[in-house]
Amino acid sequence: GAGVSQSPRYKVAKRGQDVALRCDPISGHVSLFWYQQALGQGPEFLTYFQNEAQLDKSGLPSDRFFAERPEGSVSTLKIQRTQQEDSAVYLCASSLSSLANTLYNEQFFGPGTRLTVL
Amino acid sequence: DQQVKQNSPSLSVQEGRISILNCDYTNSMFDYFLWYKKYPAEGPTFLISISSIKDKNEDGRFTVFLNKSAKHLSLHIVPSQPGDSAVYFCAASAGQSSSNTGKLIFGQGTTLQVKP
Repeated sequence: GAGVSQSPRYKVAKRGQDVALRCDPISGHVSLFWYQQALGQGPEFLTYFQNEAQLDKSGLPSDRFFAERPEGSVSTLKIQRTQQEDSAVYLCASSLSSLANTLYNEQFFGPGTRLTVL
Repeated sequence: DQQVKQNSPSLSVQEGRISILNCDYTNSMFDYFLWYKKYPAEGPTFLISISSIKDKNEDGRFTVFLNKSAKHLSLHIVPSQPGDSAVYFCAASAGQSSSNTGKLIFGQGTTLQVKP
């Protein structure tokens, strides 16, 4: 595809359910980021992948959050035992650069997955 | 602590006039700054950026100014058009930090409304 895609676009979960959010980055993009955007706020960094390696997970709010990118392409963000405070838009972004190159390459964002936990 | 702040939640301007969106930051390690534009139900899209070695970058109707001593940047849109109505996010990155992964630190956003 031409851009970053995410699925599902909307997810409603009951408190305590597990959810999995998918991100398809732009083909060939080395770097992949997950961000969480609460209502009325800017996106906040969750985790970063360079190819299949998760190099930074400092933004994950708890051990209920887990992300993977096993083949260096598609990524999945999993949230276990969802809580109401997990309700947010989850954004995925990819960029062409790797850590060894310029860090200034543009990050292309997907449309996000809006998660609502009841 | 909010390292990147956009203190104006909203801004309304008349079509054809200048829009000025402001952003302040606290982390002196930030050396690359970006503006993103976001429409409802879409992801943010890159608008313009500036490196800390510059104080101005211009791209068509959009100009970003950086004042490092004041830790302040601004986005000027001239002339403003109704299609510019969106949420604008300021973001920063500490590109030269050895531990940096290129992650972006975003402000809270400013909603711009351009009236016809």
